[in-house]
Amino acid sequence: GQSLEQPSEVTAVEGAIVQINCTYQTSGFYGLSWYQQHDGGAPTFLSYNALDGLEETGRFSSFLSRSDSYGYLLLQELQMKDSASYFCAVQISSGSARQLTFGSGTQLTVLP
Amino acid sequence: NAGVTQTPKFQVLKTGQSMTLQCAQDMNHEYMSWYRQDPGMGLRLIHYSVGAGITDQGEVPNGYNVSRSTTEDFPLRLLSAAPSQTSVYFCASSDRDSKSYEQYFGPGTRLTVT
Repeated sequence: GQSLEQPSEVTAVEGAIVQINCTYQTSGFYGLSWYQQHDGGAPTFLSYNALDGLEETGRFSSFLSRSDSYGYLLLQELQMKDSASYFCAVQISSGSARQLTFGSGTQLTVLP
Repeated sequence: NAGVTQTPKFQVLKTGQSMTLQCAQDMNHEYMSWYRQDPGMGLRLIHYSVGAGITDQGEVPNGYNVSRSTTEDFPLRLLSAAPSQTSVYFCASSDRDSKSYEQYFGPGTRLTVT
């Protein structure tokens, strides 16, 4: 099976930088994704890493180390609207299909 | 484009009742999935489909059935509702050719079984 670990809660102040870590154990690994979910809302896609290294999308960056089965999401210049849950998800192969397995999520609280 | 739509938004069932959660997408995506999300937890895959007429089980399929007769629609049927099925249900679709396998989620159905 698959397992993912990420911190349950992170708190930071507006304007700061925060890093959310994710470690995983899986077979058939394709890549690591990150999703954001505001309270009561649907998850929305943030980023994807298939290869080692850093991917940058505006204020958000995501990193992957396949050899360490580890990744992180980096949020810069935090804003109040970034308060949300963040989920890492591993993409695995399953026969002819691909599947996502999600972590339990990290609740980010941004303080003024 | 409406994206992924789900109905109903809220539903209360009594134990033993059956019902169908509806999901539709207008992006011509081949892949569709159903997830459930329990409080404070991530999403767990119930069933998924890689195209019309093709479905398969995910991590937690027991108590649920699916069918995929068209590319657009992927309904989820609860056979005999149980309190353990109280959850938020999300339908998602993705483009088969997407490298990132980005999932587009519907707004969710909040189901309570009493």
